[in-house]
Amino acid sequence: NAGVTQTPKFRILKIGQSMTLQCAQDMNHNYMYWYRQDPGMGLKLIYYSVGAGITDKGEVPNGYNVSRSTTEDFPLRLELAAPSQTSVYFCASSYPSGTYTFGSGTRLTVV
Amino acid sequence: AQTVTQSQPEMSVQEAETVTLSCTYDTSESDYYLFWYKQPPSRQMILVIRQEAYKQQNATENRFSVNFQKAAKSFSLKISDSQLGDAAMYFCAYRSGTTDSWGKFQFGAGTQVVVTP
Repeated sequence: NAGVTQTPKFRILKIGQSMTLQCAQDMNHNYMYWYRQDPGMGLKLIYYSVGAGITDKGEVPNGYNVSRSTTEDFPLRLELAAPSQTSVYFCASSYPSGTYTFGSGTRLTVV
Repeated sequence: AQTVTQSQPEMSVQEAETVTLSCTYDTSESDYYLFWYKQPPSRQMILVIRQEAYKQQNATENRFSVNFQKAAKSFSLKISDSQLGDAAMYFCAYRSGTTDSWGKFQFGAGTQVVVTP
């Protein structure tokens, strides 16, 4: 099925560990986004990309990095995990004037 | 920067009844889009309804309708004939229509809808 695929769905990290959250879309969307959702809160933008090779910071980029080498993939890297990064992470994609298609989310716990 | 405010952390409704969720936003732009997303316990974000700011007519999708008051910067969602499956967190979201906004969304904090039999 066409859509946005996020892996993994769940992950527990120890403080200081690193990991990459994967995001892939097969709709040929130019725009891709990473959001985090803290308990009881709305989604906040971490990073976004408007095309392969182009990325920019969102509202809460500290502690994260991204890359966009292809149109399909937009991985999010956590280098030194901290408890404050415990959250649910959503990847989304869209055409420039379109509605988002969201992935199913990754629940990350840092202990 | 635009802000989106949902002032109701939780709303309770009985099956078959109607509930209205409020959303206000702050913007100086004239070209923008507003959305309501539903997030059930599965965590999946599901688009409920979309409204273009240039359209005066309120959007409707089956049992879901909005009351868009552009001058008041208000965008409420009405759920009619509530069903148990409507129980979820509902998020209001704003997207600028300008090209240099790059499609970024601003989300409200959400309203939890509880449906009782």
